[in-house]
Amino acid sequence: GAGVSQSPSNKVTEKGKDVELRCDPISGHTALYWYRQSLGQGLEFLIYFQGNSAPDKSGLPSDRFSAERTGGSVSTLTIQRTQQEDSAVYLCASSLAGTRIANEQFFGPGTRLTVL
Amino acid sequence: GENVEQHPSTLSVQEGDSAVIKCTYSDSASNYFPWYKQELGKRPQLIIDIRSNVGEKKDQRIAVTLNKTAKHFSLHITETQPEDSAVYFCAASIGSGNTGKLIFGQGTTLQVKP
Repeated sequence: GAGVSQSPSNKVTEKGKDVELRCDPISGHTALYWYRQSLGQGLEFLIYFQGNSAPDKSGLPSDRFSAERTGGSVSTLTIQRTQQEDSAVYLCASSLAGTRIANEQFFGPGTRLTVL
Repeated sequence: GENVEQHPSTLSVQEGDSAVIKCTYSDSASNYFPWYKQELGKRPQLIIDIRSNVGEKKDQRIAVTLNKTAKHFSLHITETQPEDSAVYFCAASIGSGNTGKLIFGQGTTLQVKP
């Protein structure tokens, strides 16, 4: 079946502009995660959605970052008033929710964001 | 906060040799430890994972060991091949129960020389 998809694959924007990044998880996966990967760095957790529960926003670096997940499927990560330090690859992942068991996260191809 | 330390940051081996990557974690409630491989320009992909109820798991040339007392786990790749060259990330689940949230190590760039 189809894997996790993300759009756009690349986004170049000017400092101060807002951007929206989209993630389509694997059908049936109720858990969805956003990560940020700066050049040559690891994966930095941003936000996590699980079913109808309130999202875990503990990784969002500032109030310029927000995310929503509509209908328990597609998610949008919004960055307002972008700064150059926001330049990175933004990865989305989804997984099956389990009871007291963490499951494999399947990653999308990422969106490479460049803020000029 | 919770964190995962990964070493070494870079590793170069000759084809056919073994490679070992080590990680330590801080959350004693962590119970799931996946390893991801990320080739240049591609998405991370799971290569092996281990849960806290076992101490070792093997899949062909890849094995992972877990020491919960010491809070560390390791990836072992035997008979390395050039196609094993990639960045490898370890991760640990955070908190008890199924939060699904993972904290990742900083990655190890493995180069296998032919």
